Amino acid sequence: DGGITQSPKYLFRKEGQNVTLSCEQNLNHDAMYWYRQDPGQGLRLIYYSQIVNDFQKGDIAEGYSVSREKKESFPLTVTSAQKNPTAFYLCASRPDNRVRRNQPQHFGDGTRLSIL
Amino acid sequence: KNQVEQSPQSLIILEGKNCTLQCNYTVSPFSNLRWYKQDTGRGPVSLTIMTFSENTKSNGRYTATLDADTKQSSLHITASQLSDSASYICVVPYGGSQGNLIFGKGTKLSVKP
Repeated sequence: DGGITQSPKYLFRKEGQNVTLSCEQNLNHDAMYWYRQDPGQGLRLIYYSQIVNDFQKGDIAEGYSVSREKKESFPLTVTSAQKNPTAFYLCASRPDNRVRRNQPQHFGDGTRLSIL
Repeated sequence: KNQVEQSPQSLIILEGKNCTLQCNYTVSPFSNLRWYKQDTGRGPVSLTIMTFSENTKSNGRYTATLDADTKQSSLHITASQLSDSASYICVVPYGGSQGNLIFGKGTKLSVKP
């Protein structure tokens, strides 16, 4: 079955440490997204990529970095500059061509990041 | 300001009962509105997409309505089941790009036996 795989499901970060969250999709989708979800808040966009080797900052990109070297993969690094990283992180993908413009985003099952 | 607001924030109903969740939006220009279901600890799953010309769309026991004039949508759940316990999120694209979305804060539904 096609889908989006996020790993690990749970992750703990020490002070001053960078951590990387994995996101892999086999849906052949062009666009990929990273969101942060905090209790009582709507999802907020961190970064997105519409094509390989290109990505754009979202609303809350500070303290995060991404890469898009392959169509299937869009890893997110939470750097030590992100002072409040505890949250649920969701990766999503979507076909990004004119014919399938109204297709919904497909989400992975998330990674919960906590501070040690 | 582009916004998506949902009500109620949370809802508790008995199994077998019906319920209706509300979504008001101020996003412009408008192209479509999506409802997602998110189980605890899981990613959201799409229930339905309503385009500008659609008033009602059903997906099993879920029926979504859209009033583009008043900028309101509702999600009606019929004959609720315990598995309907989840957060229901209303989402609207903005800025002309289908990838840029505004998410509501969701309605947390609990179905009790």
